[in-house]
Amino acid sequence: EAGVAQSPRYKIIEKRQSVAFWCNPISGHATLYWYQQILGQGPKLLIQFQNNGVVDDSQLPKDRFSAERLKGVDSTLKIQPAKLEDSAVYLCASSLIQDFAEAFFGQGTRLTVV
Amino acid sequence: GDSVTQMEGPVTLSEEAFLTINCTYTATGYPSLFWYVQYPGEGLQLLLKATKADDKGSNKGFEATYRKETTSFHLEKGSVQVSDSAVYFCALSGGNTGKLIFGQGTTLQVKP
Repeated sequence: EAGVAQSPRYKIIEKRQSVAFWCNPISGHATLYWYQQILGQGPKLLIQFQNNGVVDDSQLPKDRFSAERLKGVDSTLKIQPAKLEDSAVYLCASSLIQDFAEAFFGQGTRLTVV
Repeated sequence: GDSVTQMEGPVTLSEEAFLTINCTYTATGYPSLFWYVQYPGEGLQLLLKATKADDKGSNKGFEATYRKETTSFHLEKGSVQVSDSAVYFCALSGGNTGKLIFGQGTTLQVKP
């Protein structure tokens, strides 16, 4: 079974530029999560989708971050404009259902903002 | 709000030593508790979980018991190997959304 796919693996951009990350969850997984992991910290949830609807985006900085999950499968996370403090690893995870189901994580995209 | 606190790292042990990584949590209600592991260059993987008080999760020789009275979920292994070197994250999931709240992670280094 293929795992959660993310691209790109690494990205370096200048502040005020925009960037987009892509995630392809495990086939059949209804729930998709985007987490931000700053160096030395645990992952923090940015947004959660159930199929193509948003369940929780309370921690998403909506003035600069946006995410969508068209057709309830792939998802993209965008930052525009980027700030230095956005440097982090962005993790995508998916699960069959949202309640107590194991979340499977991708390898993440490491973003460096200079 | 809900939170997870782990012991500071890095933890450095010799092969075959006993491992304990402490984890305590603060939560309303009755969360599920998890340990995730991140090996070098790989994504987060679920190591074990417990969904109610007094449950013991176990996998690959690792164990953790859900202690509601002390709000703890300490990770233990009787004899560590070099291949156990990784970053370990304690996490909880409260409510019914599946959202995970992570601790800051503990780096384990096992030397031959």
